[in-house]
Amino acid sequence: DAGVIQSPRHEVTEMGQEVTLRCKPISGHDYLFWYRQTMMRGLELLIYFNNNVPIDDSGMPEDRFSAKMPNASFSTLKIQPSEPRDSAVYFCASRVRGGGYTGELFFGEGSRLTVL
Amino acid sequence: QKEVEQNSGPLSVPEGAIASLNCTYSDRVSQSFFWYRQYSGKSPELIMSIYSNGDKEDGRFTAQLNKASQYVSLLIRDSQPSDSATYLCALNTNAGKSTFGDGTTLTVKP
Repeated sequence: DAGVIQSPRHEVTEMGQEVTLRCKPISGHDYLFWYRQTMMRGLELLIYFNNNVPIDDSGMPEDRFSAKMPNASFSTLKIQPSEPRDSAVYFCASRVRGGGYTGELFFGEGSRLTVL
Repeated sequence: QKEVEQNSGPLSVPEGAIASLNCTYSDRVSQSFFWYRQYSGKSPELIMSIYSNGDKEDGRFTAQLNKASQYVSLLIRDSQPSDSATYLCALNTNAGKSTFGDGTTLTVKP
């Protein structure tokens, strides 16, 4: 399996522009997570999906952020308009529910966003 | 209160020593606990999982879980410079959420 695939790996944009980050989870995984990582705030959970349905979006910082999962093999995280404080590494991760005793997260390589 | 709290670090140990990393959590019904390692510029990767009270050993790594005290720890024996990384404590809640602590940065000095 190719693992979790994220794109783009790096994005540099100007304040006010729309940013779209993409994620392809591992086939067969029914949970998908979006995290944001910064030095100051660590690894923050933004939103997670189960079977393509958003379960908890309480970590989404504000209305400028939105996430979708139109099917089991694709998810997007959109920021519109972007601001310099959105600069961070955004990770997508997926896992299976398992029998309650699995649950390892598999991470993509991350998308490094810089907003000027 | 954060769901997962870790020693703020950073932690520095000499090569060959034991490194001890600690974590507490607030959700009493959480069942699954994990330690991830993250090298600088890379994504987190799983090194240990633990589900039952007690110790679980895998090579130089030992995870310890005490559900009554809501405490999870990771011991790294015979620490090597290649163990230098940030270690993230994580848990899965019954609702399916996977949540992380802020991480502890470990440096192993040759």
